[in-house]
Amino acid sequence: RKEVEQDPGPFNVPEGATVAFNCTYSNSASQSFFWYRQDCRKEPKLLMSVYSSGNEDGRFTAQLNRASQYISLLIRDSKLSDSATYLCVVYPPDTGRRALTFGSGTRLQVQP
Amino acid sequence: EAGVAQSPRYKIIEKRQSVAFWCNPISGHATLYWYQQILGQGPKLLIQFQNNGVVDDSQLPKDRFSAERLKGVDSTLKIQPAKLEDSAVYLCASSSSRVRTEAFFGQGTRLTVV
Repeated sequence: RKEVEQDPGPFNVPEGATVAFNCTYSNSASQSFFWYRQDCRKEPKLLMSVYSSGNEDGRFTAQLNRASQYISLLIRDSKLSDSATYLCVVYPPDTGRRALTFGSGTRLQVQP
Repeated sequence: EAGVAQSPRYKIIEKRQSVAFWCNPISGHATLYWYQQILGQGPKLLIQFQNNGVVDDSQLPKDRFSAERLKGVDSTLKIQPAKLEDSAVYLCASSSSRVRTEAFFGQGTRLTVV
């Protein structure tokens, strides 16, 4: 089983739609979670951290479900500029290996 | 604040040749990562440094890949000899701490092995 799994998509949605992505992780002791955004042929950039209590930043909401070992990202009122690949990222537990572990990404295409 | 700098941006080499990539992290960032990203996949960690020491190189193909971070600042990643399957984007990232902090990425080096 992969450490971090995502549906690759693509998710094709019209402007203004609400879209949600899920991501599952295998290590129940994982400590920190993030969503990164990657535009075509660009480097990944942090979109938002995911806290146990959930967090919201404008049109974006991230939630963590430790019991089921998944995190989610909700995008409301989608814009054309939201078209990108969204990478789910997990910090493993403190086993001496601390690097960010990436999922394969979910591609979003927002259409006019 | 200057970001993570990488060079070259693009490189085309023939299989069995050697290639080297350079990374200069954000000033003061102790942690440096090299990731390999194959088209359509997420970044895969190759090696992680804390200052000039290696924290994790378990996924580095050590028969052909090597990396160093002299003086705990700049880093180089080398491939010798290259294979066709090494064609990928090589991303360098840095962060200020090993614990729960954002990693900042450079623009990457796009390697094509022909």
